[in-house]
Amino acid sequence: EDKVVQSPLSLVVHEGDTVTLNCSYEVTNFRSLLWYKQEKKAPTFLFMLTSSGIEKKSGRLSSILDKKELFSILNITATQTGDSAVYLCALADRGSTLGRLYFGRGTQLTVWP
Amino acid sequence: DTAVSQTPKYLVTQMGNDKSIKCEQNLGHDTMYWYKQDSKKFLKIMFSYNNKELIINETVPNRFSPKSPDKAHLNLHINSLELGDSAVYFCASSQALAYSYEQYFGPGTRLTVT
Repeated sequence: EDKVVQSPLSLVVHEGDTVTLNCSYEVTNFRSLLWYKQEKKAPTFLFMLTSSGIEKKSGRLSSILDKKELFSILNITATQTGDSAVYLCALADRGSTLGRLYFGRGTQLTVWP
Repeated sequence: DTAVSQTPKYLVTQMGNDKSIKCEQNLGHDTMYWYKQDSKKFLKIMFSYNNKELIINETVPNRFSPKSPDKAHLNLHINSLELGDSAVYFCASSQALAYSYEQYFGPGTRLTVT
């Protein structure tokens, strides 16, 4: 059973739209949640979240974690075609072996010009 | 300045063959990983090594054998390849074996078994 569930599985928007990607998780001993962007090749790191309620920002991307409700969101404002990618959410759980990340199945974002 | 590199990028081979994928990182990281990503983009960990010591060994067939000759290298050898082994294999590294370090991924090796 998946520990990390992402929604929606896919999303198609037009340039300039704002999108919100969701990641919910089930762990007993949360440590950190990470967001990655995967274009054609390797996943590239976006954010790591460990504390609830503190927003991380990088340009048009931002992310926040809610440890009480067990979810995180990734917002992208003023989307561009270059934002088209699969966005992966991953979880580090204190109860698991150090270094183990549980990945969600990703959200495929397509931005049309 | 490639941080995590893998060779080859593409590998097409027949069932029953043995093949190896090599990974190198020049980030000075202590920990390296192998992941498998299936056709539905689901990324699952296979192995991790910390300072050449095996830490994570997921329930993968024992046809898969990782080898870490030093901290900067982690290779994956696969015996008796099967159709179901077709996937993209990613190597990754992190600064240390801890919860607070992000993992950096290599470009992937697309393995196709015919």
